[in-house]
Amino acid sequence: EDKVVQSPLSLVVHEGDTVTLNCSYEVTNFRSLLWYKQEKKAPTFLFMLTSSGIEKKSGRLSSILDKKELFSILNITATQTGDSAVYLCAVEKSNTDKLIFGTGTRLQVFP
Amino acid sequence: DAMVIQNPRYQVTQFGKPVTLSCSQTLNHNVMYWYQQKSSQAPKLLFHYYDKDFNNEADTPDNFQSRRPNTSFCFLDIRSPGLGDAAMYLCATSRDPWDNEQFFGPGTRLTVL
Repeated sequence: EDKVVQSPLSLVVHEGDTVTLNCSYEVTNFRSLLWYKQEKKAPTFLFMLTSSGIEKKSGRLSSILDKKELFSILNITATQTGDSAVYLCAVEKSNTDKLIFGTGTRLQVFP
Repeated sequence: DAMVIQNPRYQVTQFGKPVTLSCSQTLNHNVMYWYQQKSSQAPKLLFHYYDKDFNNEADTPDNFQSRRPNTSFCFLDIRSPGLGDAAMYLCATSRDPWDNEQFFGPGTRLTVL
């Protein structure tokens, strides 16, 4: 059975801290891994990763995929209160249009 | 601005009373998806349309139906809502089924009394 597992489930940090969110997967016919940020509305797209070992970066956020060990991490440096959200990891299977979501990591950043 | 619009944002219905949620898009995308997201859970795909082709997930209850009268609009019909159907319903679009990026609407929060 395909599954995507995220850890930790919840994280509370102070502004300025660096956090690492984890996503591991067991999915047949892997095609890509996607990270989303979800606040009080629908998820917004952050990164899409298909190749192992190539870091994607956007401002203070970065992500990398390890296809051998079947996981990805999302790093956020110098966290801000606006980073507080649920971060969702999803895996796309090849030859389908289906995304398999993890349950998310809830990040709370306090001033 | 090109976007995905969902109406209404909040819907309250009574147990067993049919309800329809609406999604429209100005992106001219070929694929439209409906997800159900319950509190503290990942979004769960219910079904999607690729153009006019309807694709139902195996575990989507028969209580949930969908219509796509044209490229821009897609509807989610819940024939007899139960208390367990209270959730956020997300509509998303993608250009093609093999396009990795999905664009999400703001969601409709459904309450069942």
